Amino acid sequence: EDQVTQSPEALRLQEGESSSLNCSYTVSGLRGLFWYRQDPGKGPEFLFTLYSAGEEKEKERLKATLTKKESFLHITAPKPEDSATYLCAVRIHSGGGADGLTFGKGTHLIIQP
Amino acid sequence: DGGITQSPKYLFRKEGQNVTLSCEQNLNHDAMYWYRQDPGQGLRLIYYSQIVNDFQKGDIAEGYSVSREKKESFPLTVTSAQKNPTAFYLCASTSLRTDGYTFGSGTRLTVV
Repeated sequence: EDQVTQSPEALRLQEGESSSLNCSYTVSGLRGLFWYRQDPGKGPEFLFTLYSAGEEKEKERLKATLTKKESFLHITAPKPEDSATYLCAVRIHSGGGADGLTFGKGTHLIIQP
Repeated sequence: DGGITQSPKYLFRKEGQNVTLSCEQNLNHDAMYWYRQDPGQGLRLIYYSQIVNDFQKGDIAEGYSVSREKKESFPLTVTSAQKNPTAFYLCASTSLRTDGYTFGSGTRLTVV
């Protein structure tokens, strides 16, 4: 069974304190790994897609990396507005099976001023 | 602006009642999806549709039904057979030529 595990479940940082969120996955036939940001009561907002080990993408204070078993979302010098739940999801080559993303439970990030 | 519109934002259901959640997109996306989100759990796939007049069950389809009569629309009906319907429901869409999923803003359903 395909699995996506995110850690930690929650993380509290001081403004400016850099850290990383982890997403480990066990899937066969990875088609893509996705990172989303979700604010309370809202739908997920797309951040990055990664396709192959060694790939990196950046957007403002966020940088996503991918290995064969896990992905990291690095946040550099975070600000309070970066507070949100960050979701990781994978899409596999369906081969006739179910389509759709498989999500982890998310990391709830709080940045204190 | 292109996007996905979910309505209503909040919905209250009485015991034994069927309710329908609306999802409309103007992105010209081929595939549409319904997910359910519960506190402390990841999003779980209910149903998806890759073309008009065709749809498939996801991981937790029991107690739900869908239709796809138009490319732009993918309504979800929560039937009385769904024993624990209180949750946040999210609709998403994607083009079959790309991998990016766009989500709507969600509908929060509460049983009263």
